[in-house]
Amino acid sequence: KNEVEQSPQNLTAQEGEFITINCSYSVGISALHWLQQHPGGGIVSLFMLSSGKKKHGRLIATINIQEKHSSLHITASHPRDSAVYICAVAPRRLAGNQFYFGTGTSLTVIP
Amino acid sequence: DSGVTQTPKHLITATGQRVTLRCSPRSGDLSVYWYQQSLDQGLQFLIQYYNGEERAKGNILERFSAQQFPDLHSELNLSSLELGDSALYFCASSVGGAENIQYFGAGTRLSVL
Repeated sequence: KNEVEQSPQNLTAQEGEFITINCSYSVGISALHWLQQHPGGGIVSLFMLSSGKKKHGRLIATINIQEKHSSLHITASHPRDSAVYICAVAPRRLAGNQFYFGTGTSLTVIP
Repeated sequence: DSGVTQTPKHLITATGQRVTLRCSPRSGDLSVYWYQQSLDQGLQFLIQYYNGEERAKGNILERFSAQQFPDLHSELNLSSLELGDSALYFCASSVGGAENIQYFGAGTRLSVL
């Protein structure tokens, strides 16, 4: 059983569309991270959330601790947003320093 | 540039061999994390060090070991290599624990032939 589930697995969008990627988890957490992995393999951390909502440019991340759910939104999507987006959670019961990862959402934005 | 340096970028070796992967964290970061990413398993947490001490251990095989040195760089040692160890190995650093943003190195691609 995977502690972290992401949906959808694959997503194709037209440039300019609003995109939502979902992450559900089954354990109590101390933090949730959204990561972006580009086709070349490099990983960038986008957000760390423990509550509420964060915004950075066209990216918005929200978390609902009670429902054990987080969403990553991309407004006005652009081909350079094409990447794999990965959700990672730090389980509270493991002293918060380990991480469980979702399998990722592969996003392709078409011009 | 994340400020995290991993060497080497690529490593090709044979089964049964031993290799060492190296990671230099961002200046000022005390935590170093190691992750393995294989095609069939995705990203997996291996181990975390904080200021020279092991803080958390994930799905790290007994054939693998790591350490963090006084200058805060870290090494991941993989021994008795098997074909299934072929993967991308990432190092990340952060100021502290899980509630801090992590900065990832470019990864070491290990191919075991």
